[in-house]
Amino acid sequence: EVQLLESGGGLVQPGGSLRLSCAASGFSFSNYGMSWVRQAPGKGLEWVSSISSGLSPHYADHLKGRFTISRDNSKNTVYLQMDSLRADDTAVYYCAKRYTSGGGHFEYWGQGTLVTVSS
Amino acid sequence: EIVMTQSLATLSVSPGERVTLSCRASQSVNFNLAWYQQKPGQAPRLLIYGASTRATGIPARFSGSGSGTEFTLTISSLQSEDFAVYYCQQYNDWPLTFGGGTRVEIK
Repeated sequence: EVQLLESGGGLVQPGGSLRLSCAASGFSFSNYGMSWVRQAPGKGLEWVSSISSGLSPHYADHLKGRFTISRDNSKNTVYLQMDSLRADDTAVYYCAKRYTSGGGHFEYWGQGTLVTVSS
Repeated sequence: EIVMTQSLATLSVSPGERVTLSCRASQSVNFNLAWYQQKPGQAPRLLIYGASTRATGIPARFSGSGSGTEFTLTISSLQSEDFAVYYCQQYNDWPLTFGGGTRVEIK
């Protein structure tokens, strides 16, 4: 059974940093692309970033330079480093497994971790 | 950026009715289109990928169709557990983009 468990969310002040983690199990992690998708309170889904099995990253344009995705295949974990956080980064952040090594749809989702940016 | 438009924000439906949700892409995404269902307080769940392939465990009452720029998700007979928000998403090109969602509520 595929499981994705996010952690690292919480309350952070504007301008601060946070690193989210997503621990994966139930599949051959190193062979699949992974992604982060967020959802602001009461809003729709927004793709944040993806990383392929070959470590090629992609970002939403407006998040480039502030967010960094990475993965550690030895730990079956994908990370999202978020810097210079702003109030509009407040959202539930979901980790998702891609269908293939580099792309495809979001086949499985974690339960999400809430990030609140506020003073 | 490919803009995904779900024209209906909310749809009021009675149980047992047939429901058709639409999704339009601002340029062709070929068949690289997925549909997700999200219930309050839950993560999204994959329903359809490749525009028309049901994901594992998804009931046959859910079906998808379309290609290029016009897509449809049909629920043949709405069940109580189907009241939720439905999102389309293209994965043909970067950045990956979602439609704004359609909420299916009880009439």
